[in-house]
Amino acid sequence: NAGVMQNPRHLVRRRGQEARLRCSPMKGHSHVYWYRQLPEEGLKFMVYLQKENIIDESGMPKERFSAEFPKEGPSILRIQQVVRGDSAAYFCASSPVGGDSPLHFGNGTRLTVT
Amino acid sequence: KNEVEQSPQNLTAQEGEFITINCSYSVGISALHWLQQHPGGGIVSLFMLSSGKKKHGRLIATINIQEKHSSLHITASHPRDSAVYICAVPLIYFGNEKLTFGTGTRLTIIP
Repeated sequence: NAGVMQNPRHLVRRRGQEARLRCSPMKGHSHVYWYRQLPEEGLKFMVYLQKENIIDESGMPKERFSAEFPKEGPSILRIQQVVRGDSAAYFCASSPVGGDSPLHFGNGTRLTVT
Repeated sequence: KNEVEQSPQNLTAQEGEFITINCSYSVGISALHWLQQHPGGGIVSLFMLSSGKKKHGRLIATINIQEKHSSLHITASHPRDSAVYICAVPLIYFGNEKLTFGTGTRLTIIP
Protein backbone atom coordinates (compact mmCIF):
# COMPACT_ATOMS: atom_id res chain seq x y z
CA ASN A 1 0.00 0.00 0.00
CA ALA A 2 1.75 3.10 -1.21
CA GLY A 3 2.11 5.94 1.26
CA VAL A 4 1.32 9.58 0.64
CA MET A 5 3.01 10.58 -2.61
CA GLN A 6 4.12 14.11 -3.24
CA ASN A 7 5.68 15.41 -6.40
CA PRO A 8 7.88 16.88 -7.40
CA ARG A 9 10.37 16.41 -4.55
CA HIS A 10 12.21 19.54 -5.59
CA LEU A 11 10.85 22.44 -7.59
CA VAL A 12 12.74 25.52 -8.72
CA ARG A 13 10.82 28.51 -10.00
CA ARG A 14 11.78 32.04 -10.94
CA ARG A 15 9.99 34.93 -9.32
CA GLY A 16 6.63 35.51 -10.97
CA GLN A 17 6.17 31.94 -12.20
CA GLU A 18 3.54 29.51 -11.00
CA ALA A 19 4.24 26.50 -8.77
CA ARG A 20 1.97 23.45 -8.72
CA LEU A 21 2.51 20.91 -5.99
CA ARG A 22 0.77 17.55 -6.08
CA CYS A 23 -0.26 15.20 -3.32
CA SER A 24 -1.78 11.77 -3.74
CA PRO A 25 -3.15 10.57 -0.40
CA MET A 26 -2.93 7.01 0.79
CA LYS A 27 -5.49 4.68 -0.71
CA GLY A 28 -8.77 5.02 1.12
CA HIS A 29 -7.90 8.39 2.63
CA SER A 30 -10.30 11.20 1.84
CA HIS A 31 -8.87 13.92 4.08
CA VAL A 32 -5.83 15.94 3.01
CA TYR A 33 -3.88 18.58 4.90
CA TRP A 34 -1.16 20.89 3.59
CA TYR A 35 1.57 22.31 5.83
CA ARG A 36 4.44 24.66 5.13
CA GLN A 37 7.85 24.65 6.75
CA LEU A 38 9.82 27.82 6.18
CA PRO A 39 13.62 27.61 6.51
CA GLU A 40 14.62 27.30 10.18
CA GLU A 41 10.98 27.49 11.27
CA GLY A 42 8.38 25.03 12.45
CA LEU A 43 5.56 23.52 10.47
CA LYS A 44 2.46 25.65 9.93
CA PHE A 45 -1.02 24.51 8.93
CA MET A 46 -2.21 25.84 5.57
CA VAL A 47 -5.37 24.10 4.45
CA TYR A 48 -7.60 21.10 5.13
CA LEU A 49 -9.55 19.51 2.29
CA GLN A 50 -11.89 16.64 1.70
CA LYS A 51 -12.84 15.41 -1.74
CA GLU A 52 -14.21 18.39 -3.69
CA ASN A 53 -14.42 20.53 -0.55
CA ILE A 54 -12.18 23.00 1.21
CA ILE A 55 -12.93 22.53 4.89
CA ASP A 56 -10.54 25.06 6.41
CA GLU A 57 -8.14 27.35 4.56
CA SER A 58 -7.49 29.72 7.41
CA GLY A 59 -3.75 29.05 7.34
CA MET A 60 -3.31 29.89 3.69
CA PRO A 61 -2.21 33.34 2.50
CA LYS A 62 -5.19 35.17 1.04
CA GLU A 63 -3.51 35.98 -2.25
CA ARG A 64 -1.70 33.83 -4.80
CA PHE A 65 -2.32 30.53 -2.98
CA SER A 66 -5.09 28.08 -3.77
CA ALA A 67 -5.74 24.41 -3.11
CA GLU A 68 -8.06 21.79 -4.50
CA PHE A 69 -8.80 18.12 -4.02
CA PRO A 70 -10.91 16.98 -6.97
CA LYS A 71 -13.10 13.90 -7.08
CA GLU A 72 -10.49 12.19 -9.22
CA GLY A 73 -6.77 12.77 -9.04
CA PRO A 74 -4.36 14.29 -6.56
CA SER A 75 -4.73 17.31 -4.37
CA ILE A 76 -3.02 20.36 -5.85
CA LEU A 77 -1.48 23.30 -4.03
CA ARG A 78 -1.04 26.14 -6.47
CA ILE A 79 1.09 29.22 -5.88
CA GLN A 80 0.80 31.95 -8.48
CA GLN A 81 3.44 34.62 -9.11
CA VAL A 82 5.89 33.09 -6.65
CA VAL A 83 8.16 35.30 -4.57
CA ARG A 84 11.38 34.45 -2.73
CA GLY A 85 9.47 34.25 0.57
CA ASP A 86 7.52 31.27 -0.80
CA SER A 87 10.69 29.17 -0.70
CA ALA A 88 9.91 26.43 1.79
CA ALA A 89 9.14 22.76 2.21
CA TYR A 90 5.49 21.96 1.62
CA PHE A 91 4.16 18.80 3.24
CA CYS A 92 0.95 17.00 2.58
CA ALA A 93 -0.66 14.59 5.04
CA SER A 94 -3.72 12.40 4.74
CA SER A 95 -6.04 10.52 7.04
CA PRO A 96 -8.93 8.15 6.47
CA VAL A 97 -11.36 10.26 8.44
CA GLY A 98 -11.21 13.60 10.15
CA GLY A 99 -11.05 13.98 13.88
CA ASP A 100 -8.78 11.82 15.97
CA SER A 101 -7.08 9.64 13.41
CA PRO A 102 -3.34 9.33 12.77
CA LEU A 103 -1.81 11.35 9.99
CA HIS A 104 0.37 9.96 7.23
CA PHE A 105 2.82 12.42 5.75
CA GLY A 106 4.39 12.66 2.35
CA ASN A 107 8.10 13.39 1.88
CA GLY A 108 7.40 16.99 0.99
CA THR A 109 8.12 19.26 -1.95
CA ARG A 110 11.01 21.66 -1.53
CA LEU A 111 10.24 24.83 -3.45
CA THR A 112 13.07 27.19 -4.25
CA VAL A 113 12.27 30.56 -5.79
CA THR A 114 15.19 32.22 -7.52
CA LYS B 1 3.98 32.81 23.92
CA ASN B 2 3.85 29.74 21.69
CA GLU B 3 0.90 27.47 22.27
CA VAL B 4 3.20 24.45 22.05
CA GLU B 5 6.58 24.54 23.76
CA GLN B 6 9.22 21.85 23.47
CA SER B 7 12.36 21.28 25.48
CA PRO B 8 15.18 20.92 25.00
CA GLN B 9 15.68 22.53 21.60
CA ASN B 10 18.83 20.54 21.00
CA LEU B 11 19.99 17.34 22.64
CA THR B 12 23.20 15.40 22.10
CA ALA B 13 23.67 12.06 23.82
CA GLN B 14 25.82 8.96 23.66
CA GLU B 15 24.52 5.79 22.10
CA GLY B 16 22.61 3.75 24.65
CA GLU B 17 21.44 6.67 26.76
CA PHE B 18 17.81 7.11 27.84
CA ILE B 19 16.33 10.17 26.11
CA THR B 20 13.45 12.37 27.25
CA ILE B 21 11.88 15.14 25.19
CA ASN B 22 9.19 17.30 26.73
CA CYS B 23 6.17 19.10 25.29
CA SER B 24 3.89 21.57 27.06
CA TYR B 25 0.81 23.11 25.52
CA SER B 26 -1.57 25.83 26.57
CA VAL B 27 -4.77 24.94 24.75
CA GLY B 28 -7.32 22.26 25.47
CA ILE B 29 -6.85 19.30 23.19
CA SER B 30 -8.35 15.99 22.20
CA ALA B 31 -5.09 14.33 21.21
CA LEU B 32 -1.41 15.11 20.86
CA HIS B 33 0.88 13.97 18.05
CA TRP B 34 4.56 13.12 18.14
CA LEU B 35 6.34 13.30 14.79
CA GLN B 36 9.85 12.48 13.64
CA GLN B 37 11.57 14.42 10.87
CA HIS B 38 14.71 12.84 9.47
CA PRO B 39 17.68 14.76 8.06
CA GLY B 40 16.36 14.04 4.57
CA GLY B 41 13.24 15.98 5.55
CA GLY B 42 10.53 13.32 5.51
CA ILE B 43 8.05 13.27 8.40
CA VAL B 44 6.82 10.16 10.15
CA SER B 45 3.97 10.09 12.62
CA LEU B 46 5.17 8.27 15.75
CA PHE B 47 2.24 8.53 18.14
CA MET B 48 -1.16 10.05 18.56
CA LEU B 49 -2.36 9.90 22.14
CA SER B 50 -5.07 11.40 24.25
CA SER B 51 -4.37 9.80 27.61
CA GLY B 52 -1.91 7.64 29.47
CA LYS B 53 0.95 6.03 27.68
CA LYS B 54 1.78 4.37 24.36
CA LYS B 55 4.79 2.25 23.48
CA HIS B 56 6.24 1.27 20.13
CA GLY B 57 9.53 -0.56 20.17
CA ARG B 58 12.04 1.62 22.02
CA LEU B 59 9.78 4.66 21.93
CA ILE B 60 7.38 5.56 24.73
CA ALA B 61 5.01 8.52 24.79
CA THR B 62 3.12 9.72 27.83
CA ILE B 63 0.60 12.47 28.31
CA ASN B 64 -0.91 14.21 31.33
CA ILE B 65 -4.01 16.03 30.16
CA GLN B 66 -4.53 17.88 33.47
CA GLU B 67 -0.99 19.26 33.43
CA LYS B 68 -1.04 19.81 29.65
CA HIS B 69 2.26 18.01 29.28
CA SER B 70 3.60 15.13 27.22
CA SER B 71 6.95 13.37 27.10
CA LEU B 72 8.62 11.24 24.46
CA HIS B 73 11.18 8.74 25.74
CA ILE B 74 13.69 6.72 23.76
CA THR B 75 15.32 3.77 25.48
CA ALA B 76 18.71 2.39 24.41
CA SER B 77 19.19 5.25 21.95
CA HIS B 78 20.95 4.58 18.65
CA PRO B 79 22.55 6.87 16.05
CA ARG B 80 19.64 6.14 13.70
CA ASP B 81 17.37 7.89 16.22
CA SER B 82 19.08 11.16 15.27
CA ALA B 83 16.30 13.36 13.94
CA VAL B 84 14.07 16.28 14.84
CA TYR B 85 11.17 15.30 17.09
CA ILE B 86 8.08 17.48 16.90
CA CYS B 87 4.96 17.55 19.02
CA ALA B 88 1.73 18.93 17.65
CA VAL B 89 -1.74 19.63 19.00
CA PRO B 90 -4.99 20.46 17.23
CA LEU B 91 -6.25 24.00 17.71
CA ILE B 92 -9.83 22.89 17.69
CA TYR B 93 -11.29 20.11 19.71
CA PHE B 94 -12.24 17.69 16.99
CA GLY B 95 -8.83 16.31 16.15
CA ASN B 96 -6.31 16.73 13.38
CA GLU B 97 -7.52 19.90 11.86
CA LYS B 98 -5.24 22.92 12.22
CA LEU B 99 -2.41 21.24 14.06
CA THR B 100 -0.13 23.65 15.89
CA PHE B 101 3.45 22.43 16.00
CA GLY B 102 6.25 22.84 18.46
CA THR B 103 9.55 24.07 17.04
CA GLY B 104 11.06 20.65 17.44
CA THR B 105 13.88 19.03 19.38
CA ARG B 106 16.97 18.21 17.38
CA LEU B 107 18.39 14.94 18.73
CA THR B 108 21.89 13.75 17.89
CA ILE B 109 23.06 10.35 19.12
CA ILE B 110 26.81 9.87 19.02
CA PRO B 111 28.14 6.34 18.48
